[in-house]
Amino acid sequence: AQSVAQPEDQVNVAEGNPLTVKCTYSVSGNPYLFWYVQYPNRGLQFLLKYITGDNLVKGSYGFEAEFNKSQTSFHLKKPSALVSDSALYFCAVREKMTTDSWGKLQFGAGTQVVVTP
Amino acid sequence: DTEVTQTPKHLVMGMTNKKSLKCEQHMGHRAMYWYKQKAKKPPELMFVYSYEKLSINESVPSRFSPECPNSSLLNLHLHALQPEDSALYLCASSQTRLDEQYFGPGTRLTVT
Repeated sequence: AQSVAQPEDQVNVAEGNPLTVKCTYSVSGNPYLFWYVQYPNRGLQFLLKYITGDNLVKGSYGFEAEFNKSQTSFHLKKPSALVSDSALYFCAVREKMTTDSWGKLQFGAGTQVVVTP
Repeated sequence: DTEVTQTPKHLVMGMTNKKSLKCEQHMGHRAMYWYKQKAKKPPELMFVYSYEKLSINESVPSRFSPECPNSSLLNLHLHALQPEDSALYLCASSQTRLDEQYFGPGTRLTVT
């Protein structure tokens, strides 16, 4: 069975410092990984995905993520955080599609990012 | 345009009311989803429509009834809800089930 873990409930970072949000996964076969961000009272916004190819994936709003197969991780990064990056971040893995499985997204518990001025 | 719209933004209903949530996308996506989200928690999948056919029902109580009138529209009909059904209801769509999902802003539902 697929699973994804976000080990930190909250990450605090000062504006201008690097931001990292951690995600580890457990899947059978090749993983399909996603990051979403949710601002207060809003829906989720797609940031980036890893399907195959380059281990460094670039996404929206200056975010990138590094896929590490040996560590089964897909950490989200931003070189210089902004106060406006304060939000709830979700990592997700798509379940393996078979004749019996549709390929649903399984979300991590979420990590609250707080960027202070 | 990667926009999914949802109406209404907020809804307060009593336990005996009947109401509907609406979702619309014009991106030509063929998969559409309903999720329920409690505060500070990840979304929980409720229903999936693929090519206008119901593909997944995650054992959702029958007081929630989805409908997909056409490839751009998705409704969620609500009847005899319970206070614990109060949540943010999110609609999403994707090109196919292989692709990333795009979410609407949600409907904040309060059941009194």
